[in-house]
Parts: sequence; structure tokens; C-alpha cells
Amino acid sequence: DADVTQTPRNRITKTGKRIMLECSQTKGHDRMYWYRQDPGLGLRLIYYSFDVKDINKGEISDGYSVSRQAQAKFSLSLESAIPNQTALYFCATSRGQAQETQYFGPGTRLLVL
Amino acid sequence: QQQVKQSPQSLIVQKGGISIINCAYENTAFDYFPWYQQFPGKGPALLIAIRPDVSEKKEGRFTISFNKSAKQFSLHIMDSQPGDSATYFCAARQGGKLIFGQGTELSVKP
Repeated sequence: DADVTQTPRNRITKTGKRIMLECSQTKGHDRMYWYRQDPGLGLRLIYYSFDVKDINKGEISDGYSVSRQAQAKFSLSLESAIPNQTALYFCATSRGQAQETQYFGPGTRLLVL
Repeated sequence: QQQVKQSPQSLIVQKGGISIINCAYENTAFDYFPWYQQFPGKGPALLIAIRPDVSEKKEGRFTISFNKSAKQFSLHIMDSQPGDSATYFCAARQGGKLIFGQGTELSVKP
């Protein structure tokens, strides 16, 4: 079984709709991250959480919100989706401190019409 | 403002050749520099990483060269293989967060 899972894997929605992307991990890591990937722009950090009670904005948090329901779960919401939020979204986890490696999920491809 | 600049955006190399991808940064507070490899339909995965107190790190066919004074680092793939065809991202870490470069799409031709 995959250590970091994301649901859904693909989603098509309409402008103005609220959607939620979910991430779960079985690695026991404290730190979780949400990124979006766009061609030519690389991976950009949306939000990150170093533990259940810690939520921080990343580079491009406008239009997004997150919820850390448990150590293993970190959800990303688009309150009112817009077309320029069409992208590939990745969740990642890391143990933190000296363990720097981030482990990525398989991604969610989102299309906003 | 892109804190980590990566080039080239795409690269085509013949099998057996050397692939070189370059990254530059401005922030001297970065303390860890990983490279991630991403295959189509997959999430990125750590390939190799280096700390700024080391000038070179080699793992198999993959080498990171790090020039602290120039604030540049590069990935060299020796004897490139078609299986190396993927997108490569450099990154730099500050405060537990990674800042990624724009990515390089590598294609190794047989």
C-alpha cells in the first residue's frame, strides 16, 4: 500500500464550486505539505503543517485553506474554485528535524472549467 | 520572485551521454539542497541531496556539484539511460520548507 495517498486522483469542477482534496499518510510523519505544480513554474508551496496544531501559509495560499484533522490527515480546500487553480496538486510528508526527505503522494489533477 | 532558478527547461541527451542541469539561488540561509526526480503520473521522489559544507556528492551515476561562493549547484547524470527520462527539480531548504526550481524535462534518446 502507498505510504502517502491522495483522493481524488482526478477532478473536474466548475468555477465557483467548493472542493476538497484529501491526503492521508501511514508513515507516522509529523510534517505535511501541499504543493501545486504548473508547467514552467515547478512546485510551489501552498500550506504546510509541522504538527497537528500548527498550520502555516506557504508561497501561494490565497484562494486555499487547509485542515489538519489528525497527524495522518491533511486536507486542502478551494472555497470557490477559479480556472487558474487548474493544476496538479501534491501532498507531501516528512519526519522533520534532521530527516529532511519529503515523500510525495501520487498527485491530484484538477481542472476548473 | 523565483528564489531558486533552474535551467534548462528541457534537455535532450543521447544514451551514454552526460546530462547536466543547473540551479542558482540567492538566499544564503538555505541549508540543504536536494534534487527530486519525477516520472510521468507520479509524485516527485528524492534522488540525491547535498549540504553547503560539501562541494560534491556522488551516488552511482548521479553527482551534485556545489559552488557556495557562486551560489550555484548542478546535477550531473553520467552514462545517461532512457530510464533516466523524467522531470528533475532542484530545491533549497530554509526553516523546514523546500523552495523548488522550475523543473527540467530530460529526455534520453536510445
